[in-house]
Amino acid sequence: NAGVTQTPKFQVLKTGQSMTLQCAQDMNHNSMYWYRQDPGMGLRLIYYSASEGTTDKGEVPNGYNVSRLNKREFSLRLESAAPSQTSVYFCASSKRREQFFGPGTRLTVL
Amino acid sequence: ELKVEQNPLFLSMQEGKNYTIYCNYSTTSDRLYWYRQDPGKSLESLFVLLSNGAVKQEGRLMASLDTKARLSTLHITAAVHDLSATYFCAVDGQMEYGNKLVFGAGTILRVKS
Repeated sequence: NAGVTQTPKFQVLKTGQSMTLQCAQDMNHNSMYWYRQDPGMGLRLIYYSASEGTTDKGEVPNGYNVSRLNKREFSLRLESAAPSQTSVYFCASSKRREQFFGPGTRLTVL
Repeated sequence: ELKVEQNPLFLSMQEGKNYTIYCNYSTTSDRLYWYRQDPGKSLESLFVLLSNGAVKQEGRLMASLDTKARLSTLHITAAVHDLSATYFCAVDGQMEYGNKLVFGAGTILRVKS
């Protein structure tokens, strides 16, 4: 039982490049979330998926898109990366309103 | 809009001392979480507080919730170096927010020997 897994762990992009962050969970949870963490600001919700086939915007969705591929997988895409998207990205999943977090992806945009 | 404020944002303590971290939130909620994060690591769940007056304890940490005052506290008793980490509170939004968590900015705790 791996819990929530994320790939990659680290990534460096140039401004304007695109990439997809992958997240998967093996706990049969319905809901999944993407957060970003910046120094001194706690975690902020980017997008979430309450169940397979649905997605919705969170607090800071601009510049991102998501896909809930199936119940296990929830990906986050940056179409044209900007330096302001340099951050640590966490994926989480939940079943009964308690969220479990993945190990994070540290992204730097130059 | 739900806002969550933690204080202090930075806390430097001597080993053996007691201290309290405060978490205030702006709108009604029935569920509050405390997480711990070590540098470069993910978030580890410490406590889930479900109702007014809830108190939970684990080792040297004790968390409480007062929903009427919209206040939660995380009390540290006789701090040890291993407690050094960043502590976050997070509030579960009501229907307007679904089950989305709103986090405080975090309290960086450093315990000095």
